[in-house]
Amino acid sequence: DVKVTQSSRYLVKRTGEKVFLECVQDMDHENMFWYRQDPGLGLRLIYFSYDVKMKEKGDIPEGYSVSREKKERFSLILESASTNQTSMYLCASSLYPSTGDTEAFFGQGTRLTVV
Amino acid sequence: DAKTTQPPSMDCAEGRAANLPCNHSTISGNEYVYWYRQIHSQGPQYIIHGLKNNETNEMASLIITEDRKSSTLILPHATLRDTAVYYCIVRSLYNQGGKLIFGQGTELSVKP
Repeated sequence: DVKVTQSSRYLVKRTGEKVFLECVQDMDHENMFWYRQDPGLGLRLIYFSYDVKMKEKGDIPEGYSVSREKKERFSLILESASTNQTSMYLCASSLYPSTGDTEAFFGQGTRLTVV
Repeated sequence: DAKTTQPPSMDCAEGRAANLPCNHSTISGNEYVYWYRQIHSQGPQYIIHGLKNNETNEMASLIITEDRKSSTLILPHATLRDTAVYYCIVRSLYNQGGKLIFGQGTELSVKP
């Protein structure tokens, strides 16, 4: 079975803390993505990466950074967590499309609450 | 990537076919139509995709109009477990990173 694994299902952090959300995929995919999902706003792309050490901003990168040191791992970093970053965070991976049209596989999500 | 328009919600009786429409009038020649669904509290799940021909797999069928400006996802015999939000996405094969941009989707409720 293909797998995208997010390190935590639920997380509670304090305002101002540095938060790391980890995502690991075992499919040797080039692409990895971080989304957040909020009621009424749907899924919004934060950052994506199409290769190791490569990253591109999505639609809402403010307040976030990412790290991709190894192909299988993509980390989302909240440098100083704020209450408006309380959300469901979803990680996804896919093959790079130049190898063919491909689907993305999603993790189960991390529900982050910042208090 | 082209934008899509979907109805916000639909109901379907269990055992009947669910037909979910999607408009993508600005789709360009190298853009595929993808469908995903998200069951409550889970990550989105891939269903099917197509370029211009109709496609069928074990989950669903995808009908794309000849001008490619709209498509319909068909769940032939909907079950209660098909209750979910369904997303129609158009995506270029060659856009950087192959990123998926989600719209609001259609919330499908399958009723007994």
